[in-house]
Amino acid sequence: QKEVEQDPGPLSVPEGAIVSLNCTYSNSAFQYFMWYRQYSRKGPELLMYTYSSGNKEDGRFTAQVDKSSKYISLFIRDSQPSDSATYLCAAIIQGAQKLVFGQGTRLTINP
Amino acid sequence: DAGVIQSPRHEVTEMGQEVTLRCKPISGHNSLFWYRQTMMRGLELLIYFNNNVPIDDSGMPEDRFSAKMPNASFSTLKIQPSEPRDSAVYFCASSLIAGEGEQFFGPGTRLTVL
Repeated sequence: QKEVEQDPGPLSVPEGAIVSLNCTYSNSAFQYFMWYRQYSRKGPELLMYTYSSGNKEDGRFTAQVDKSSKYISLFIRDSQPSDSATYLCAAIIQGAQKLVFGQGTRLTINP
Repeated sequence: DAGVIQSPRHEVTEMGQEVTLRCKPISGHNSLFWYRQTMMRGLELLIYFNNNVPIDDSGMPEDRFSAKMPNASFSTLKIQPSEPRDSAVYFCASSLIAGEGEQFFGPGTRLTVL
């Protein structure tokens, strides 16, 4: 079993829809959680970064961590075609340097 | 800053040949990471360096793979001899502060081994 599990999709939704992307993890020592966005033929770029449990909001994006259920979520409101990309969740133990990535979910927003 | 720079962007080679991938991290960053991405396995960490010293190479798949960081502004990943199953996109990433997770990725090198 991988330490961070993510449904690879693909996921296709109409423009304006609310998108929910999810990951589960198995290592209780993970303290920092990230979402990276990767456009086609580009490197991943950091989108959201949260510490421990709770929510973090940045514009149309909300990251949520539930440590009790080991569940990581990313919500995208009012989705746009420019949000079409692969989204990778990642986790790291505090003080460590090894990011553990999920498989990535390929998302397409249809105009 | 130009970000993480990788070269070449694309590499096509024949099985058995030596392949060298290059990376220039963001100036001032202390840590450098090499990843491999495939459809089947996703993004996998191969090796990482702190202050030019290799810290963890447990992700390096075989002895055919080697990585060096001779100075703070340059690293190489070498595959010798290359095999078709090495075909993947190889990313280099760098980070400023250890343990805080924000890594900046380069554009990747798309390697095809025929």
